[in-house]
Amino acid sequence: GGIITQTPKFLIGQEGQKLTLKCQQNFNHDTMYWYRQDSGKGLRLIYYSITENDLQKGDLSEGYDASREKKSSFSLTVTSAQKNEMAVFLCATDDNQDTQYFGPGTRLLVL
Amino acid sequence: GQQVKQSSPSLTVQEGGILILNCDYENDMFDYFAWYKKYPDNSPTLLISVRSNVDKREDGRFTVFLNKSGKHFSLHITASQPEDTAVYLCAAGATGGNNKLTFGQGTVLSVIP
Repeated sequence: GGIITQTPKFLIGQEGQKLTLKCQQNFNHDTMYWYRQDSGKGLRLIYYSITENDLQKGDLSEGYDASREKKSSFSLTVTSAQKNEMAVFLCATDDNQDTQYFGPGTRLLVL
Repeated sequence: GQQVKQSSPSLTVQEGGILILNCDYENDMFDYFAWYKKYPDNSPTLLISVRSNVDKREDGRFTVFLNKSGKHFSLHITASQPEDTAVYLCAAGATGGNNKLTFGQGTVLSVIP
């Protein structure tokens, strides 16, 4: 077993602000993902990384940067927060057997 | 466009009933199909999955049926219980494609006691 930790749990930002979300895992899994969850839109992939220092764009990468500093951590940056934006950002890893394990999420609100 | 689609945004069923959740996909390369379950304020967890070499997989009250020619898969839940109330997300992927999954929009299921 393992744990995925996402920080912060809640993030309140200002319009135009650069915001960074962090994810740590101790599964020792190679691949990590960042998803955005909006009501009625399911999960949309922002970035993923198949190994340390690797980055792959998902369908929703515009407006975001990511960094896989080491195998256990994957961070996501909102480059310019949009006013009234509200979403949950989910980090996930997979076990190379197709099962994805999700973190608890970071809830973003932009004022 | 949306590569994986769930046609029903919500579904309500009486306790004890049978329900079917549907998912359609577009990519011929998808060969892995899964259903994730998400309680409010919790993260999605894998409920059941199937690879394209079979057309059905059963796990207790949950069965996933795969129709590859129709690019469709479904989740059947029998003897539904109030604890089944959750959001159900279908997902599909190509195992040669970096394990990336594409998720549907989700179906909100309510099981009424």
